[in-house]
Amino acid sequence: SQQGEEDPQALSIQEGENATMNCSYKTSINNLQWYRQNSGRGLVHLILIRSNEREKHSGRLRVTLDTSKKSSSLLITASRAADTASYFCATDGETSGSRLTFGEGTQLTVNP
Amino acid sequence: EPEVTQTPSHQVTQMGQEVILRCVPISNHLYFYWYRQILGQKVEFLVSFYNNEISEKSEIFDDQFSVERPDGSNFTLKIRSTKLEDSAMYFCASSLERNTGELFFGEGSRLTVL
Repeated sequence: SQQGEEDPQALSIQEGENATMNCSYKTSINNLQWYRQNSGRGLVHLILIRSNEREKHSGRLRVTLDTSKKSSSLLITASRAADTASYFCATDGETSGSRLTFGEGTQLTVNP
Repeated sequence: EPEVTQTPSHQVTQMGQEVILRCVPISNHLYFYWYRQILGQKVEFLVSFYNNEISEKSEIFDDQFSVERPDGSNFTLKIRSTKLEDSAMYFCASSLERNTGELFFGEGSRLTVL
């Protein structure tokens, strides 16, 4: 598997439901970030969690990080149709210098 | 709210032609990046730039690519002789700090090589 793999690849839910996306990575990291991309648009930063943190909240977003399992999850609560987008995790490794390594992404569709 | 701007939004070029993609990073940011995303694939790092020089580049960033900060505001990516496989969305990003914060991305420049 590659650094920064998300699952599921695609997720379709109803408005109001929670959406959970997972990300796994291979090497040690400094930080893990989640980005959102609307179709054909740029990436928008959602949240950053540092390697010494286990959980972080921002509005309807909750991110967890388990460095022992090299995995993270992004939970979006009370989803809205406007949350429809692709979600990517990106890692900033201890040895990766200034680069972010992005995962394959999860395509989230929230049906009204 | 400050933002990263990119031009052009879409460029179509013939194989072998030179292309310059332009970016205006956020004014007080110090680190600049180019990433690309081939259609349907993940975002890939190309190069990072700090203090007027490349600080890191990926294996994708071969001799056909170059970056420049010709003045205090613009940051450009040049592809000298485009290939079909260079067709992708190219994203510019900037950050205030290197490894401790978020990247601010532009909306991207879609390059189509025919």
